[in-house]
This record gives sequence, C-alpha cells and structure tokens, in this order.
Amino acid sequence: DAKTTQPNSMESNEEEPVHLPCNHSTISGTDYIHWYRQLPSQGPEYVIHGLTSNVNNRMASLAIAEDRKSSTLILHRATLRDAAVYYCILRDRGSGAGSYQLTFGKGTKLSVIP
Amino acid sequence: EAGVAQSPRYKIIEKRQSVAFWCNPISGHATLYWYQQILGQGPKLLIQFQNNGVVDDSQLPKDRFSAERLKGVDSTLKIQPAKLEDSAVYLCASSLASRVVTGELFFGEGSRLTVL
Repeated sequence: DAKTTQPNSMESNEEEPVHLPCNHSTISGTDYIHWYRQLPSQGPEYVIHGLTSNVNNRMASLAIAEDRKSSTLILHRATLRDAAVYYCILRDRGSGAGSYQLTFGKGTKLSVIP
Repeated sequence: EAGVAQSPRYKIIEKRQSVAFWCNPISGHATLYWYQQILGQGPKLLIQFQNNGVVDDSQLPKDRFSAERLKGVDSTLKIQPAKLEDSAVYLCASSLASRVVTGELFFGEGSRLTVL
C-alpha cells in the first residue's frame, strides 16, 4: 500500500497562512490524495481531495507536485478553530481488498498561536 | 441534515466485562465503517459494511469483537470480553457508497471506552 509521510507537529500564528506538507513517493497512478482533519474530541472531517491538478474549496487549497510524489495542504488564514490533527491519505480506486478505504497515519498536529 | 449518531459517548468497564456501541448513520448512506482510535494514533479500520453485508473485516479481532448491521441501517459493535488494550475511541463513519474513490466519509463524535 502507498504510504504518506507527514511532520508530527507544526505551529502557526493566527491569521497567517499554513502549509502542511505530505510526502507520498510511492504513489500510484490510481491513487487520489485526500486530506481529513480531526478537531479535539471529535471524529475526522473531510477537507479536500485531488488527483493531479491543484484544488480549491471553501476550507483549503491542495497543491500537488507535478510528479505527484508530494502535496501541500494550504490554509489561507489560520484561525484558532483550525487547530487539529491533519491527515494526508492516499485512496486507491484499484481492485484490491483495501480499495476505496481510508487508511489513516498519525497525521500532523497543527497548533495555532493567538 | 443530521450527522452520524453514536452512543454512549463514554463508557468505563472492568476487564473481562462486555460492552456494546451503537451507531446510526446518515440517512441513505449505504456504507458504514467502524474505526478504533487509540490515544496518539490515527483511526484504524475494524470493519466495513455495504448495506447489511460485510465488505472487509480483516482487522477485526474476531475472538472478542463482533459487529452487525441489521436491516442495513443501524449498527452495533460489541466487545466481549474486554481487555485493557481495548481502551480507545470507537468511531463510526458512513458514506453514500463504498466503491467511490472520491466519496466523503462522515464521522460521528465517537464512543470513548476505558477498560480498568
């Protein structure tokens, strides 16, 4: 299974942009890149996903490297509510037993400083 | 739209006792997942249902864990007998369909189990 590598923790000042990196050097052509986040004492929630092109939604932007071996989740203006663990996950649409599942790593714990 | 409902939110039991967790997914969601999240780790998939059939239970410790999804809606996860290492948050999630690689999973708030 393709794996992702994320820093254990990051800090950001409130109202500044945050760039959360993710390495996935063994990504396959059928893997989608998904990001979920988990606020304290809550279940994970969907943030964004992409395949090859950069993606934007109301929560964040996803920048995908041209070779797809890395990606970056961008929060344009961090707020205190963005303090959470952010998970970068590869989701395969292949035919294996693990297809379409979400397999979580340890993620990056983002702290936002007021 | 109502989210994924789970109960109880908290449960404390002694080892070797049994416990059951209940999940009500979002209306119309065919796929239901149970995850186990140990403190400091990411969630780990235990079992995945499509309607009332099991898609994947390869990581479910079947000697003590069981799960069912009667009528393809609500689901129950049971642990009997519990061990100390079962202390964790049990998360239920649902999605519209399983074999959609871009399909979003919606998670409940989880049930926190402490085994003494």
